[in-house]
Amino acid sequence: DAGVTQSPTHLIKTRGQQVTLRCSPISGHKSVSWYQQVLGQGPQFIFQYYEKEERGRGNFPDRFSARQFPNYSSELNVNALLLGDSALYLCASSLAGLGYGYTFGSGTRLTVV
Amino acid sequence: DAKTTQPPSMDCAEGRAANLPCNHSTISGNEYVYWYRQIHSQGPQYIIHGLKNNETNEMASLIITEDRKSSTLILPHATLRDTAVYYCQGVIMNYGGSQGNLIFGKGTKLSVKP
Repeated sequence: DAGVTQSPTHLIKTRGQQVTLRCSPISGHKSVSWYQQVLGQGPQFIFQYYEKEERGRGNFPDRFSARQFPNYSSELNVNALLLGDSALYLCASSLAGLGYGYTFGSGTRLTVV
Repeated sequence: DAKTTQPPSMDCAEGRAANLPCNHSTISGNEYVYWYRQIHSQGPQYIIHGLKNNETNEMASLIITEDRKSSTLILPHATLRDTAVYYCQGVIMNYGGSQGNLIFGKGTKLSVKP
């Protein structure tokens, strides 16, 4: 079975631009979360979606938004990019049910110049 | 979510058991203890979780103290591929049973040496 897939794997954007990152969860997983990992730090929680509804939001500005589609795939959008948005963006999916851990994708490396 | 404290780094000899401690003295009764690890340049990998009882799976064992204020992750026979940053955290389950969001701290950098 395919794991969590993220696209693109790398991209470079200019300050002020907008970016959309995509995530396909493992088949059957209904929960998708997004994390930002800046170099040298642990991942920071951005959003969680479960059954297409937002279930949690981390401490990120409104420039960050996300959505989950009927097939449970998800997009993360970041507007008005800043240099500080340069990071590894991780998507994780989970099978609904007590006690399942998250499966993470390999991430999208975003560089803002 | 419980605040967790872990040593910043640890060394372990290849083939020996690696015991990684985590303090979570503020954990609430409905928070599970979860462990993840992150190998360089990869996404975090789920290892194990528990609520009250000790747990074991094919990767590791989790020992939770009776008062639930601390836990220890045990890798019984560490290999060079176990070199990674290990994170522990308290997680509350969402309605419907899906896992709540993860709060990653700085974790413990485990170096397994030949």
